[in-house]
Amino acid sequence: KAGVTQTPRYLIKTRGQQVTLSCSPISGHRSVSWYQQTPGQGLQFLFEYFSETQRNKGNFPGRFSGRQFSNSRSEMNVSTLELGDSALYLCASTLGPGHEKLFFGSGTQLSVL
Amino acid sequence: GQQVMQIPQYQHVQEGEDFTTYCNSSTTLSNIQWYKQRPGGHPVFLIQLVKSGEVKKQKRLTFQFGEAKKNSSLHITATQTTDVGTYFCAERASGTYKYIFGTGTRLKVLA
Repeated sequence: KAGVTQTPRYLIKTRGQQVTLSCSPISGHRSVSWYQQTPGQGLQFLFEYFSETQRNKGNFPGRFSGRQFSNSRSEMNVSTLELGDSALYLCASTLGPGHEKLFFGSGTQLSVL
Repeated sequence: GQQVMQIPQYQHVQEGEDFTTYCNSSTTLSNIQWYKQRPGGHPVFLIQLVKSGEVKKQKRLTFQFGEAKKNSSLHITATQTTDVGTYFCAERASGTYKYIFGTGTRLKVLA
């Protein structure tokens, strides 16, 4: 069974641009969550989706948004990039309610110049 | 809101020495999870503890959940170079599907 797949693996953008990151969960997994990882702040929760519905959102500005498609694939978008958005963005999937083990993808390393 | 404190932040040990990381929550937890992230890698699930006072072992790793379900520990016996990485605890915020991760303990093992 393939693991969680995130694309692209690396991304370099400049301030003010926008970016879209993609996450394909493990087959059969319906819950997808996103995390931002930085050396200073650790792993911070962005949002979680289940059956195309956002169930929870972390404390990030509205520039950070996401969505989930009917096939459970998810995307997150960051608009008007700032230098502080440079981070490793991790996606994790689970089967859904009652299944709490998070399976992480390899992440997208975003650098904002 | 819920906060998860994890200590120590860093730990350097000689190969063969033991290692322990501690996780403390400001609230009573329904369960707690532990993850390991190798350098340059992504977090990988190790274990989940659910019951008060629960102790689980995985080879040289021993996980414990406090009696009051507010703290947890991970102990590694006789560390090896393959144990290098950052160990995170994580708790699910009550009533949500949001996981709160501890700050992590970075372990370095000197051969």
